[in-house]
Amino acid sequence: SYKLTQPPSVSVSPGQTASITCSGDKSGDSYVSWYQQKPGQSPVLVIYQDTTRPSGIPERFSGSNSGNTATLTISETQAMDEADYYCQAWDSSTYVVFGGGTKLTVL
Amino acid sequence: EMQLMESGGGLVQPGGSLRLSCAASRFTFSSYEINWVRQAPGKGLEWVSYINPSGTIIYYADSVKGRFTISRDNAKNSLYLQMNSLRAEDTALYYCARELMFGDGAFDLWGQGTMVTVSS
Repeated sequence: SYKLTQPPSVSVSPGQTASITCSGDKSGDSYVSWYQQKPGQSPVLVIYQDTTRPSGIPERFSGSNSGNTATLTISETQAMDEADYYCQAWDSSTYVVFGGGTKLTVL
Repeated sequence: EMQLMESGGGLVQPGGSLRLSCAASRFTFSSYEINWVRQAPGKGLEWVSYINPSGTIIYYADSVKGRFTISRDNAKNSLYLQMNSLRAEDTALYYCARELMFGDGAFDLWGQGTMVTVSS
């Protein structure tokens, strides 16, 4: 079955750039979405179709997808960006798959 | 404000059943694909099931196939998840999530979740 692999944790200093990767078994076949989840809250979509930001999501959030790795980049990271981040994709056999999640710590 | 609101969670014994509901408001529910996603305590997100706008196309995760049934009533703006033969590993917060139109499977609207605990 299709799997998406994320690093369990990423640390970043305030004002610096954070990058969270999401590696899939297959190369670039599916668009990737990214979600932010803060403690006690429901997930929020921050990137879809690899690179598109929904309205209301700050410009410092961006996405890319090349080969079998998608990347969520947060520029000028702020304390409020500290959260768990999940990538997600569709697969013809597994249908919807989520990555295991990455805890972003802003030190 | 557009909203999804889940209900029906609770404590159930292993082998028991539970029916979750998800009520949609302030958007045209009948036009959207909807999913159930769950999150075990302290764990990541796990997709459970999908249903298309007319209810004619349905998918399930292997972990729930044959035990869970997704359905919808567009006249009542509601989504359901009938859960049978529940196991301890089904313990989780269950979210309903709307797919963004033309968003290639992205979930743009989530409910607050309803907690299901399977324990004796």
